[in-house]
Amino acid sequence: AQSVTQLDSHVSVSEGTPVLLRCNYSSSYSPSLFWYVQHPNKGLQLLLKYTSAATLVKGINGFEAEFKKSETSFHLTKPSAHMSDAAEYFCVVSDQGAQKLVFGQGTRLTINP
Amino acid sequence: GAGVSQSPSNKVTEKGKDVELRCDPISGHTALYWYRQRLGQGLEFLIYFQGNSAPDKSGLPSDRFSAERTGESVSTLTIQRTQQEDSAVYLCASSLVKPNTQYFGPGTRLTVL
Repeated sequence: AQSVTQLDSHVSVSEGTPVLLRCNYSSSYSPSLFWYVQHPNKGLQLLLKYTSAATLVKGINGFEAEFKKSETSFHLTKPSAHMSDAAEYFCVVSDQGAQKLVFGQGTRLTINP
Repeated sequence: GAGVSQSPSNKVTEKGKDVELRCDPISGHTALYWYRQRLGQGLEFLIYFQGNSAPDKSGLPSDRFSAERTGESVSTLTIQRTQQEDSAVYLCASSLVKPNTQYFGPGTRLTVL
């Protein structure tokens, strides 16, 4: 069975400093992995996805994530935080070819001026 | 083109009443999904439709929940005899079969008094 663990429920960083949101997954097969962002009172937006191509995946708004099979991790990073990055971030897994997404509990990112 | 739309955006109802939530997927997307997001939590899968195949109902929490889809178009999620624990945001997503990246609607916030 698939599962996702987001290791931090809340991360707070200063504007201009790096962001790291941690995610570990469990999957029986080759997984597809995603990061979604949810701004207050807005819908979920896809940031990036990994589907067995390059292990370093670049997404929108300067975010990227690295798939590390040996560590079963898919951490999300950004070199320099911006105030507009404040939102809830979800790490998501699905088995290759499967349709169901399994969501982590979310990490709330706060950006301090 | 237009994204996934959902209606109503907010619904307040009394315990015991039935409610219907509507989802209009992106045109051409054959797959449609319903999820539930309780306050401060990640998304829970409810049901998945793919073309004319039998829907995957494995996530529906009780027989009070049902969903229908008209061809490859609109879907309606019905909750009968609502309970206070049904209060949540109900999100709809749609996708192509391949790639199966899911695009989410803005959600319907259901409050059961």
